[in-house]
Amino acid sequence: AQSVAQPEDQVNVAEGNPLTVKCTYSVSGNPYLFWYVQYPNRGLQFLLKYITGDNLVKGSYGFEAEFNKSQTSFHLKKPSALVSDSALYFCAVRDPSRGSTLGRLYFGRGTQLTVWP
Amino acid sequence: DVKVTQSSRYLVKRTGEKVFLECVQDMDHENMFWYRQDPGLGLRLIYFSYDVKMKEKGDIPEGYSVSREKKERFSLILESTSTNQTSMYLCASSLRSGGSSYNSPLHFGNGTRLTVT
Repeated sequence: AQSVAQPEDQVNVAEGNPLTVKCTYSVSGNPYLFWYVQYPNRGLQFLLKYITGDNLVKGSYGFEAEFNKSQTSFHLKKPSALVSDSALYFCAVRDPSRGSTLGRLYFGRGTQLTVWP
Repeated sequence: DVKVTQSSRYLVKRTGEKVFLECVQDMDHENMFWYRQDPGLGLRLIYFSYDVKMKEKGDIPEGYSVSREKKERFSLILESTSTNQTSMYLCASSLRSGGSSYNSPLHFGNGTRLTVT
């Protein structure tokens, strides 16, 4: 069974400091991993994805994520946080080895990131 | 840019009423999804569809049904609303998975916040 865990409900960081939002996954096959961001009263916006290749992937708004197969993790990072990064972040996984559930994503419960000035 | 449009941003209904939530996408995507989002629970998949007139149950289909008569439109139907269906409902679409489409992210609408009183 697929699952995604975001162990922190909240992450607080000062503006200008690096930020990390954690994600671990469990799938039966090779994972396809995604990060999304949600601003208040909006839908989810795609940030970045890992499919194969380089373990460090870069995405929108200066975010990047590091895939670690041995630790089954896909942590979201940014070298220097901005107040405008404050939002709800979701990690998601797709297991392409599944049959009729092709296409669906399994989401974590989300991590609220707050960046204070 | 992909646009996923949900017909209503806010709805207030009384218990027992029938509700239609409409979703339209403009990118000729095969896959469409309905999620509900609740605090602390993340996103839970209600139903999804990978082709016209095709549908599959997600994790929480009870109390819901769907309709996909045209490729661009995916409707969520609540036959008889109850207070536990008060939630944010998110529609999403993506290219059909399979081959290179496994890396296709989901594109979300802005959501419909449904309140059942």
